[in-house]
Order: sequence, then C-alpha cells, then structure tokens
Amino acid sequence: QKEVEQDPGPLSVPEGAIVSLNCTYSNSAFQYFMWYRQYSRKGPELLMYTYSSGNKEDGRFTAQVDKSSKYISLFIRDSQPSDSATYLCAMSANFGNEKLTFGTGTRLTIIP
Amino acid sequence: KAGVTQTPRYLIKTRGQQVTLSCSPISGHRSVSWYQQTPGQGLQFLFEYFSETQRNKGNFPGRFSGRQFSNSRSEMNVSTLELGDSALYLCASSLVAAYNEQFFGPGTRLTVL
Repeated sequence: QKEVEQDPGPLSVPEGAIVSLNCTYSNSAFQYFMWYRQYSRKGPELLMYTYSSGNKEDGRFTAQVDKSSKYISLFIRDSQPSDSATYLCAMSANFGNEKLTFGTGTRLTIIP
Repeated sequence: KAGVTQTPRYLIKTRGQQVTLSCSPISGHRSVSWYQQTPGQGLQFLFEYFSETQRNKGNFPGRFSGRQFSNSRSEMNVSTLELGDSALYLCASSLVAAYNEQFFGPGTRLTVL
C-alpha cells in the first residue's frame, strides 16, 4: 500500500463549479502538506502548503487538513479553464530538510 | 531570472543502452533533486545533491546515479536501460536544501523501446 493515495481521475467539471481534490495518507508522522499544480509538458509548481490540521485560503484555493482522518483536500472555487492541470499532493514529517512523498496526481479538466 | 532548465526534453533509447540527462538549476541555487514521474507511481524521489555531495537518496537501483558540478549543474545517468525506465525525469532546485521550496524544471521525457 502506498503511503499517499490520490484518485488519478480524470475529473471533468463545468466552468464556475467548485472542485474538490483529495488525498489520504497512512504515515501519522506527516505534518506538512503541499499541493502542486502541473500543466501539460511542465514541471510541478507549488500552489499551497499547510502545517498540521486546519484550513488555509489563498484566493480561490482552500487547503484543508484533517490529521485525525489522515485526509487532505484542495478546494477550487469558481473554477476556470486555466485551472485545467494535474494536481499533486505532497507531504513530509519535517519542514524543508526531508524529502516529500507525493501522490500520483489527479488530472482535472474545466469545461468552458 | 531563468528557471530550471533540463536537456534534452525528449529522448528515445533502446533496452540495454545508457543515458545521461542534464539539469541547470536556477542561478544561485545549490540544491538539486531528481524525480521520476510515471502514471502508476507518481513522483518518486531519486536523489538530491547539495554543494556537489549526495545528501539524500531514494529507493532506486544502482543503475541510477548522479553527480553535481561546482557550478551546481547536475547530471543523472541511467545505465542498462529497461522498459520500465520510461518516464518523465524531473529536476528541481532550491536555494538551500529545502524540499518545500523547490522549483521544478519541465522534465526530460525518456522512452525506452
């Protein structure tokens, strides 16, 4: 079993919809959680990161962590066609000096 | 400021051959990490170099090796290629050895026939 599980999709939603992307993990030592966005033929770029449990909001994006359930989510409000990409979750136990464990990514398409 | 560059962008090799991939980090960045990305396994960490020293290593066979030069540029070598080595190989750089502040390059798409 993988340490981080992520539904690969693909996920298609109409423009303007709220998108929910999720990851589950098994390692209770994970404390730092990140979301990356990867456009086609590009490398991943860091979208958001959170520490421990709780919510973090950045514009149309909200990251949510529930450590008791070992479950993290990324919500995208008012989705735009430019949000079409693969979204990867990543996590680590220590901030910075420990390699990240990534999910396999969810491919998202926003339909105009 | 120029981003992370990787060469070549696409590569086709046959089983048994070897390949060398190159990564130029963002100017001033001293840490370079390499990842293998496949649809089934996602991003898997290969190794990380900081100031020419391998600081961390993932669970890949010895056929995968790397090095870093004094100008922080890095190369990754795969010997005796197997079909399963077909993947996108990503390089990421950071100012110091901080995995959470990495900037990724566009990757090299390797196809092994």
